[in-house]
Formats: sequence, C-alpha cells, structure tokens
Amino acid sequence: EVQLVESGGAFVQPGGSLRLSCAASDVIFSETSMHWVRQAPGKGPVWVSRIAPDGFVTTSDSVRGRFTVSKDNAKNTQYLQMNSLRVDDTAIYYCVRDTYYAFDLWGQGTLVTVSS
Amino acid sequence: QSALTQPPSASGSPGQSVTISCSGTSSDIGAYNYVSWYQQHPNKAPKLIIFHVTQRPSGVPDRFSASKSGNTASLTVSGLQAEDEADFYCGSYAGNNEWVFGGGTKLTVL
Repeated sequence: EVQLVESGGAFVQPGGSLRLSCAASDVIFSETSMHWVRQAPGKGPVWVSRIAPDGFVTTSDSVRGRFTVSKDNAKNTQYLQMNSLRVDDTAIYYCVRDTYYAFDLWGQGTLVTVSS
Repeated sequence: QSALTQPPSASGSPGQSVTISCSGTSSDIGAYNYVSWYQQHPNKAPKLIIFHVTQRPSGVPDRFSASKSGNTASLTVSGLQAEDEADFYCGSYAGNNEWVFGGGTKLTVL
C-alpha cells in the first residue's frame, strides 16, 4: 500500500529544535518531489517546503533560515530539521507527495507544539 | 506568499449544488493551470479531489467539478450529500517552486 508515515512531533519550548521524519512505502523518492505542509489548529494548510528528485530544496519565507529539508533516497525518507522554533510554528506537519504540481498523497501528520 | 482567499462558509440542502470560490493573483492562479482542491473531514488529512484546474483523480465522484477564470478558481459540488460536509481548500502553484493554499471553506449540508 502506498503511504507516508510521519514521526518526530513533540512538545518543545520556544527556541528549541526538532527533527521530523517521513517514511514512504511504494514511493520512489529519487523520482518524486516531496513536500512538508503544516496546518495550525483550526486553520488552513500552509506550504512549508519542497525537495525535488535531484535534492533541490525550496522553503517558505516564514521558515527560511530556520528549517532545513533533506532526504535519504535509499530509505525513501525525508526529514525536516526545525531550529529556532517559535510559538507560531505550532501545527500538524504533513508529509505530502507531489504528482505534477498536485498534492495527491498525504501522511497522517505529526503534531508539533511550541510553548513555554 | 499570500494565502488564496476563500469564503469561510458555504451551505446547501441535500441534492442542491453549491459553488466555492478561490481568489488569487496573476502570480499564482492566474499564471498557472496548477490549481487543486482538497477536501478535509474532521481529524483527517486533506484529500485531493481536483487537480490541474478541472481534473478529478480516480475514485472522486463526478459530482465534484471545478473551473478557473482569470485569477479566480471555483469548485462546484452538485447533488449534495451528507458526506460532503467538510472543509474545502484550494491550492495553487505560485512559481519559483513555491505553493500557496486558501484559508478554507466549511461546507455545511443542511
């Protein structure tokens, strides 16, 4: 079954760091663009980052310089390293597959809570 | 990267049709035919129901249709059913390998 499974979400204090992982089944990372999308409680989704098949990364203005994206094609896993976390980073973080500019496969999400 | 604009709510009775709008700019919706729509039920991940402005993924009922005119995209749900009650989000490619979503519309089936 094709699926994405996120992990690593936790409660962290402002200024802290966290690394999220996304493991994929039946998704070939070396051929697929993958994204992170977050959704704060009661709000709409917000695009965070994209890693292209060749490893090229783009990130949104709100996380640039604080969040880093990487992947391991052999493990079909992507990572989101989040540093200098802020209260407004609190959200469910989804790992999402991109098929021709549409987000056609979503993980179940992992909750990140940033609070003092 | 400003969010796309959607009405916060929409409603209709079973069997009726309802249309949800999504307003963007000439840098996102107006520039590319990469508009998507997502349906999200409570405590679930969003689900793709429309891609490339008008295309439905396999398994999505043809009661869901969509279009685009200029900087505005629209989703129409025909023959409303109780299970259509959910939050709907539009999304668009915005160039420079960046994407943007709408704030969401809560659809209520009366």
